Amino acid sequence: GAVVSQHPSRVICKSGTSVKIECRSLDFQATTMFWYRQFPKQSLMLMATSNEGSKATYEQGVEKDKFLINHASLTLSTLTVTSAHPEDSSFYICSARDLRRGLDNEQFFGPGTRLTVL
Amino acid sequence: TQLLEQSPQFLSIQEGENLTVYCNSSSVFSSLQWYRQEPGEGPVLLVTVVTGGEVKKLKRLTFQFGDARKDSSLHITAAQPGDTGLYLCAGAAGNNRLAFGKGNQVVVIP
Repeated sequence: GAVVSQHPSRVICKSGTSVKIECRSLDFQATTMFWYRQFPKQSLMLMATSNEGSKATYEQGVEKDKFLINHASLTLSTLTVTSAHPEDSSFYICSARDLRRGLDNEQFFGPGTRLTVL
Repeated sequence: TQLLEQSPQFLSIQEGENLTVYCNSSSVFSSLQWYRQEPGEGPVLLVTVVTGGEVKKLKRLTFQFGDARKDSSLHITAAQPGDTGLYLCAGAAGNNRLAFGKGNQVVVIP
């Protein structure tokens, strides 16, 4: 239980294009999802908190116009990297909370999306 | 300032040896989670500790939460190559968010 999927798992795009990453909770409803990015040999850096039916809350220093988040349903959140540049290349990971099981602070993570911008 | 400090950052041991890694903070947490992450994958939740002094076991992994709920340790007995990974501790950081430490990279050599 508490399975989170991400699609695509890997994407390569040209500089200037936009890329959409999907995060789905497969066997539970997630009112809150989180988007992280992780650089090689570093820990997870929270980018934003995505709440179903409302605007995302972005962490300091994260450009909301560049990283568009849409949480359209209780099982789906999307992150769109707009006008991607090579410095946006990273490992993007989403997570979700399932308040019906476990504890409030537990998050269940997707497998991640490796974005490479050429 | 890192909310959670994990040490050692990197640890390499031989198969069959024991190891302990630490997660420390000056803040009190209502709970702490430990995750393991393998290269190219998302973190997988191992355990949540809630009560000060609590000890939880997951096969050969033993997790302890400090009495003051500011720190935690992970002890692995008779490490196996499959234990290789990045161990991340995380605590509540307000507004439903988690704050992660930088991780303990463990390598178990066959």
